[in-house]
Amino acid sequence: GAVVSQHPSRVICKSGTSVKIECRSLDFQATTMFWYRQFPKQSLMLMATSNEGSKATYEQGVEKDKFLINHASLTLSTLTVTSAHPEDSSFYICSARVFGQGAEQFFGPGTRLTVL
Amino acid sequence: QQQVKQSPQSLIVQKGGIPIINCAYENTAFDYFPWYQQFPGKGPALLIAIRPDVSEKKEGRFTISFNKSAKQFSLHIMDSQPGDSATYFCAASGNTGTASKLTFGTGTRLQVTL
Repeated sequence: GAVVSQHPSRVICKSGTSVKIECRSLDFQATTMFWYRQFPKQSLMLMATSNEGSKATYEQGVEKDKFLINHASLTLSTLTVTSAHPEDSSFYICSARVFGQGAEQFFGPGTRLTVL
Repeated sequence: QQQVKQSPQSLIVQKGGIPIINCAYENTAFDYFPWYQQFPGKGPALLIAIRPDVSEKKEGRFTISFNKSAKQFSLHIMDSQPGDSATYFCAASGNTGTASKLTFGTGTRLQVTL
């Protein structure tokens, strides 16, 4: 149980376009989802926390107008990278937490974004 | 105060050896300490986690040792295998406020040789 999926697994886009990444909890309801960014050979950096039905909370330094997060249901959160540029190329990972079941987060397999 | 310091940055051991990875934290509000294993191009997977009410936890070949007074915890991998070659991250979180988010260590790249 506790499986989180992401789609797509990798995406290549042109500079200036927008890209949407989906994160789904497959066998549980996720009241809270998290979006991380990971550059090569570096650790995971939290970008934002989203709770179902409310606005996401962004970490300091993360542009909310560039990284749009929607958590419309208990099983789906989306991250849209708007007007992507080469410096946005990274590995984006989501995770989900079940309300009332402790601090454990279940991670998705990640999405590799390459902006040309 | 939110940092989790992890060492070493990289580690090479022979098959059957016992690699040890160490982490230290400052925030006393942290009460959940997981370890994650990540293979290249994949998301992190939870290996084992501990809470501060115990000093040691074992799951299979993986053991966490926890020292609350020193604010340190470590991962031991018994009888390491080439398939254990991966990057390992420690993390910490608490119950409320900014501590409720997972704070990750910088990672340790482990290579297990034959």
